[in-house]
Amino acid sequence: EAEVAQSPRYKITEKSQAVAFWCDPISGHATLYWYRQILGQGPELLVQFQDESVVDDSQLPKDRFSAERLKGVDSTLKIQPAELGDSAMYLCASSLAGIRTEAFFGQGTRLTVV
Amino acid sequence: AQRVTQPEKLLSVFKGAPVELKCNYSYSGSPELFWYVQYSRQRLQLLLRHISRESIKGFTADLNKGETSFHLKKPFAQEEDSAMYYCALSGGNNDMRFGAGTRLTVKP
Repeated sequence: EAEVAQSPRYKITEKSQAVAFWCDPISGHATLYWYRQILGQGPELLVQFQDESVVDDSQLPKDRFSAERLKGVDSTLKIQPAELGDSAMYLCASSLAGIRTEAFFGQGTRLTVV
Repeated sequence: AQRVTQPEKLLSVFKGAPVELKCNYSYSGSPELFWYVQYSRQRLQLLLRHISRESIKGFTADLNKGETSFHLKKPFAQEEDSAMYYCALSGGNNDMRFGAGTRLTVKP
């Protein structure tokens, strides 16, 4: 069964360093989401892509976060510089194009900033 | 702006008891509502969606537009239902936004 792949699973980085996460969606899924989930809270949508275009990045802290999906397939989320408050689980999800379709999630990347 | 509210962070019931997880939403248009579940050490996955009108693992959810609610119900809880449950809303551009989640514990 096809799954959303994310790497790395765990990342520890020092504050002020740069960090990047990678996501490979299910083949054929045009929509890709990045979420941040702080412990005890629900997933917060950071950015949504439709193919290679950004549909919504209203909650992305653009002074330090960036996301790209150059060929409309896999995607990278970067933080530079990392801050202590960025410690969280970063989830990637994908869905078929169309309105209101089910999102399939990856295992996530657990980031710890020290 | 769309918003999903799950008022209970924790919910504990005994096996065989009925369970209801509450979800309220605000959205100006016609939303699509979902329930996602995350079992221990597993990824977040879809449990059910309102448009399907189906029962999954004995769970049902009815969209009440008057009360802007989409509560999840099961008449007889099982221990394997213990998990984190998230209510989610998808708006017009396929964005998917989640509530804070409810941790359900079913005691033997």
